[in-house]
Amino acid sequence: EIVMTQSPATLSVSPGERATLSCRASQSVGSNLAWYQQKPGQAPRLLIYGASTRATGIPGRFSGSGSGTEFSLTISSLQSEDFAVYYCQQYKSWPYTFGPGTKVDIK
Amino acid sequence: EVQLVESGGGLVQPGGSLRLSCAASGFSFSNYWMNWVRQAPGKGLEWVANIKEDGSDKYYVDSVKGRFTISRDNAKNSLLLQMNSLRAEDTAVYYCASVGWSASTVRDYWGQGTLVTVSS
Repeated sequence: EIVMTQSPATLSVSPGERATLSCRASQSVGSNLAWYQQKPGQAPRLLIYGASTRATGIPGRFSGSGSGTEFSLTISSLQSEDFAVYYCQQYKSWPYTFGPGTKVDIK
Repeated sequence: EVQLVESGGGLVQPGGSLRLSCAASGFSFSNYWMNWVRQAPGKGLEWVANIKEDGSDKYYVDSVKGRFTISRDNAKNSLLLQMNSLRAEDTAVYYCASVGWSASTVRDYWGQGTLVTVSS
């Protein structure tokens, strides 16, 4: 099983600031990585797939990068609606596995 | 409008069984892999099981193998999860999901989730 780790666990950011979230895989997943956003009481929402491709309707302030074992999600200028938990997930091999999440909260 | 509506959750004793259902509408259900993803209270996400378009391939996370069975009825646009020998650690919100992409489209369809609580 591929183990996904994320850092930091919590990121405190002021609105308008840039946030960079990290994700690491225990073995190479190539570009088979997705990022999801989840708000309290809601289902996850796909942000990024293929490590760097934004899903439909996702604002341009969200960008993903990386390949192999090291990935990042950058939110260029945080808006109020971006405060949430973010999960990375590999789909290179079954079982698909998620990282533990990074909570982005208001500083 | 795409809808995925789960049902069947509830309180069950350890060792008991539950059957979750997911009713799909608004997209070509029979053309896509379908998934069950769960989230324990206050915890992260876990991909539990998925099933191929025609039901011929199924995958399960190790923790539920031999206890859970995923199935689908394409004629009724429904996804099922039969859960047997339930344990406390199976307590979670269970989401039905269809997530995927091609060159021209992206699917990111999730239900609202159904809560399964395993407790005596």
